Amino acid sequence: AQSVTQLDSQVPVFEEAPVELRCNYSSSVSVYLFWYVQYPNQGLQFLLKYLSGSTLVKSINGFEAEFNKSQTSFHLRKPSVHISDTAEYFCAVYQGGKLIFGQGTELSVKP
Amino acid sequence: GAGVSQSPSNKVTEKGKDVELRCDPISGHTALYWYRQRLGQGLEFLIYFQGNSAPDKSGLPSDRFSAERTGESVSTLTIQRTQQEDSAVYLCASSLWGLGGPNEKLFFGSGTQLSVL
Repeated sequence: AQSVTQLDSQVPVFEEAPVELRCNYSSSVSVYLFWYVQYPNQGLQFLLKYLSGSTLVKSINGFEAEFNKSQTSFHLRKPSVHISDTAEYFCAVYQGGKLIFGQGTELSVKP
Repeated sequence: GAGVSQSPSNKVTEKGKDVELRCDPISGHTALYWYRQRLGQGLEFLIYFQGNSAPDKSGLPSDRFSAERTGESVSTLTIQRTQQEDSAVYLCASSLWGLGGPNEKLFFGSGTQLSVL
């Protein structure tokens, strides 16, 4: 069975600082990987995904993630965060028609 | 509809009672998923419906949990003889054809907060 591990449960950063939210997956076969975001008191929203092709994928709000097969990682990054990026971020892997989610990383952006 | 709709948004029940949670997926979406999110934890897969295929029930935690789906529309998640450990947010999601395609993704509802006293 495939799984993902989010290495940090909480990541506090200051506004305009860069951030990296780490995600590692366990699979020896082709993987589809996703990131979802859950803003306070809101439902989960799709952020970005990797299926194949370019290993660097980008979202519309400045986040990007890089698929690294040798390190089995799919870390999420943003060069400069805003207060509004405060949310919980979930990494997920596709398995048998469904998504298996990690435990989540709470990003807290402070002024 | 415009998005995935879940009802009720909040449900408080007594231990031992049965509860039914409802999900209306986005119109035309053939795949429907139920997840559970306990406080401070990640999403736990429960069950997945894809068209007319047999559902994937591999995530249901016990035989007290069951779910049905009417065609490619409404789904109901039923929890019998509720226990305090069932307290969680129950999330429903849908996708057009499933997640294997390049443009596919899950659209989530706002969830049902279940509290078992």
